[in-house]
Amino acid sequence: DGGITQSPKYLFRKEGQNVTLSCEQNLNHDAMYWYRQDPGQGLRLIYYSQIVNDFQKGDIAEGYSVSREKKESFPLTVTSAQKNPTAFYLCASSGGQVVFLGANVLTFGAGSRLTVL
Amino acid sequence: AQKITQTQPGMFVQEKEAVTLDCTYDTSDQSYGLFWYKQPSSGEMIFLIYQGSYDEQNATEGRYSLNFQKARKSANLVISASQLGDSAMYFCAMRERYGGSQGNLIFGKGTKLSVKP
Repeated sequence: DGGITQSPKYLFRKEGQNVTLSCEQNLNHDAMYWYRQDPGQGLRLIYYSQIVNDFQKGDIAEGYSVSREKKESFPLTVTSAQKNPTAFYLCASSGGQVVFLGANVLTFGAGSRLTVL
Repeated sequence: AQKITQTQPGMFVQEKEAVTLDCTYDTSDQSYGLFWYKQPSSGEMIFLIYQGSYDEQNATEGRYSLNFQKARKSANLVISASQLGDSAMYFCAMRERYGGSQGNLIFGKGTKLSVKP
């Protein structure tokens, strides 16, 4: 079945460490996204990519980095520069370009929960 | 200023009854799309329903319908015949064509729905 796989589901990090969250999709979608969710909050966009080898900063990109070397993969690195990294991270993909207006539905993975010790 | 406002942090509904979850939005664009997503305790975001700003009919998908009042900038979700499995967080989201979010989804803070047996 097609979908998005995020790993790991739970991750613990010591302060000062970089960690990488994996996101893989087999939906043949062009666009991929990373969102952060804090308790009692909606989702906030970290980075997005409309095409391989290209990505754009979202609203809260500071302290994060991404790469898009393959269409299927969009890993997110949470660096030590991110001051408050404990959160739930959601990866998503969609079949059209971001700026296309329409029922361009985002399909989400199951999420990764990062806790800083 | 908040683009998406969900004023009900939590709601209770009796099983088999209908419930309305409120959502108001703020945009100066004429072209935009409105979405509702469900987030069960497992964390994955599940797409429920979409309404385009130029759609004349209210969107419906099974037990879900969207009460779209353009002049009031509201896009309330109506769930008919509630089921225990409907207990979850519900998020309203908007995509603007020309807004500062560059076409990405902007999410509200969500409403936690609890269905009582």
